[in-house]
Amino acid sequence: AQTVTQSQPEMSVQEAETVTLSCTYDTSESDYYLFWYKQPPSRQMILVIRQEAYKQQNATENRFSVNFQKAAKSFSLKISDSQLGDAAMYFCAYCEGNKLVFGAGTILRVKS
Amino acid sequence: EAQVTQNPRYLITVTGKKLTVTCSQNMNHEYMSWYRQDPGLGLRQIYYSMNVEVTDKGDVPEGYKVSRKEKRNFPLILESPSPNQTSLYFCASTLQQGAPEQYFGPGTRLTVT
Repeated sequence: AQTVTQSQPEMSVQEAETVTLSCTYDTSESDYYLFWYKQPPSRQMILVIRQEAYKQQNATENRFSVNFQKAAKSFSLKISDSQLGDAAMYFCAYCEGNKLVFGAGTILRVKS
Repeated sequence: EAQVTQNPRYLITVTGKKLTVTCSQNMNHEYMSWYRQDPGLGLRQIYYSMNVEVTDKGDVPEGYKVSRKEKRNFPLILESPSPNQTSLYFCASTLQQGAPEQYFGPGTRLTVT
């Protein structure tokens, strides 16, 4: 079974600084999608960024970027110029076929 | 507006009292699923449906039932809720199996006493 591991239960970052959230996954497949979701206190699941495994180029969405290392099965999220509104739970997720497999989540706190 | 809706958003009930959480999407999506979110465990899939009248178990199906009589609706049924089903529940939909864009509902906070 596929597994997704987020080894950092909590992280803190100073406003305007950069923070990296870690994620590793396990799969025997070669074609799949990876995602980072943000869950603010409203509990809504918000897609932050996605990566297709066959693409070597790392995905970027404004201040959010990933470091995708396929051989190492690593998929970290970098948030640049952190803002107070970035404070949330972040989930890494792997998608293959029928479902999303989620990590346990990382709580990100942003200090002003 | 494209969206997934869930009702109710909050529910407190007692052990053994049957309940249904509704889920509806207006995007004509084929694939729908239910997840539960628990601290330290992330979200885990309960059931999924690939189309009308086609459903299958996810990773944690025990104690739950689903049905898919119409394409837009995918209700989650707890026939005899127990306290270990206290959780945050999400419905999600996507255009087709394997499509990367998943749309999540707003979540339903269920407490079983």
